[in-house]
Amino acid sequence: AQSVTQLGSHVSVSEGALVLLRCNYSSSVPPYLFWYVQYPNQGLQLLLKYTTGATLVKGINGFEAEFKKSETSFHLTKPSAHMSDAAEYFCAVSPDTGRRALTFGSGTRLQVQP
Amino acid sequence: DTGVSQNPRHKITKRGQNVTFRCDPISEHNRLYWYRQTLGQGPEFLTYFQNEAQLEKSRLLSDRFSAERPKGSFSTLEIQRTEQGDSAMYLCASSFESQGGNTIYFGEGSWLTVV
Repeated sequence: AQSVTQLGSHVSVSEGALVLLRCNYSSSVPPYLFWYVQYPNQGLQLLLKYTTGATLVKGINGFEAEFKKSETSFHLTKPSAHMSDAAEYFCAVSPDTGRRALTFGSGTRLQVQP
Repeated sequence: DTGVSQNPRHKITKRGQNVTFRCDPISEHNRLYWYRQTLGQGPEFLTYFQNEAQLEKSRLLSDRFSAERPKGSFSTLEIQRTEQGDSAMYLCASSFESQGGNTIYFGEGSWLTVV
């Protein structure tokens, strides 16, 4: 069984400030981890993913995330927020075998203040 | 390379009517997933196909829901006797299953409003 917890349903930052969105997971098997972004009335776009190898993963739009097995975390960061980053962000986990369907967290809405 | 295509994008229907959504996955993707997303929540897994075989159905998928992928390409999701609680966005996703893992790509979703 797998689950994802995203701490903070809403996060507000100023333009140019650090973005930190938190994600903790539980998984009985080695996980694959993902961050997706969703803009209003749209589907989900993959930001980045961790499968194996390097634990610091770089994604699109300047985002990155670090897999920390000891903390069961996969937090998303971006050094400097841009207005266009305002969206809903979802962390997801899937097992590395079997159906590999994603289990999503409940999402974090990021607001960027000018 | 076109992405995952879903239609209709929006559907308003009266309670008790049947609705059908279509999903065209990315070409050559052998896995196809359906998810449901309600406001303020993350997507929830409904079912998935490996080629034309439906391999798993979530307990969320009641008897009123049926999904098919007849030739291992496009898929349909039908909801019979719709209820207000069915109002949600239905997301289709596809991937190419391989030994090294897969990346799941999502369509833009089909919004259902049951009135």
